[in-house]
Amino acid sequence: EAGVVQSPRYKIIEKKQPVAFWCNPISGHNTLYWYRQNLGQGPELLIRYENEEAVDDSQLPKDRFSAERLKGVDSTLKIQPAELGDSAVYLCASSGQSNSPLHFGNGTRLTVT
Amino acid sequence: DQQVKQNSPSLSVQEGRISILNCDYTNSMFDYFLWYKKYPAEGPTFLISISSIKDKNEDGRFTVFLNKSAKHLSLHIVPSQPGDSAVYFCAARLNDMRFGAGTRLTVKP
Repeated sequence: EAGVVQSPRYKIIEKKQPVAFWCNPISGHNTLYWYRQNLGQGPELLIRYENEEAVDDSQLPKDRFSAERLKGVDSTLKIQPAELGDSAVYLCASSGQSNSPLHFGNGTRLTVT
Repeated sequence: DQQVKQNSPSLSVQEGRISILNCDYTNSMFDYFLWYKKYPAEGPTFLISISSIKDKNEDGRFTVFLNKSAKHLSLHIVPSQPGDSAVYFCAARLNDMRFGAGTRLTVKP
């Protein structure tokens, strides 16, 4: 089975610019997650979708971050405007049933200069 | 609010010996625990899991132990191989998955 696909792999932008990340989950996986991983730390949840519905976005900085999952499949995560502290790896993951492990993509490494 | 802690940032073992990675958690409501392995420039990959109703789960060279009274989780790798060198993340689930900061394992030939 194809894994979780993320693009781009790397992105370098100047602060105050917008940036978007894209994720295609494993086919049939209804639950999709966006995580942010800072250097030397574990992944931290930004938002969780069940199909099209964002069921947990309590950790998403809503003043500059937005996400969508149209049609309950692919998802995009956007930052506008980006700040220096947003430099991190942004990971997308998906899972099937509630007891299933998360399957991660390879992430997008964002550098804000 | 770090509910899942991996207090050892790194561990080095000799090939063929046992690797023991440790994890502590604070929330007794976690019902499912997992270990993930991460190579550079890749996303974490699932390794092994254990339900809170069990105290041991084994899969080949990998065994996870859960001590609920101590709120402690450990991963044993026996025998360790150089290909096991990676960062290992402990994770615990309540409504969502919480991750530790990771332990970098180096297995020396």
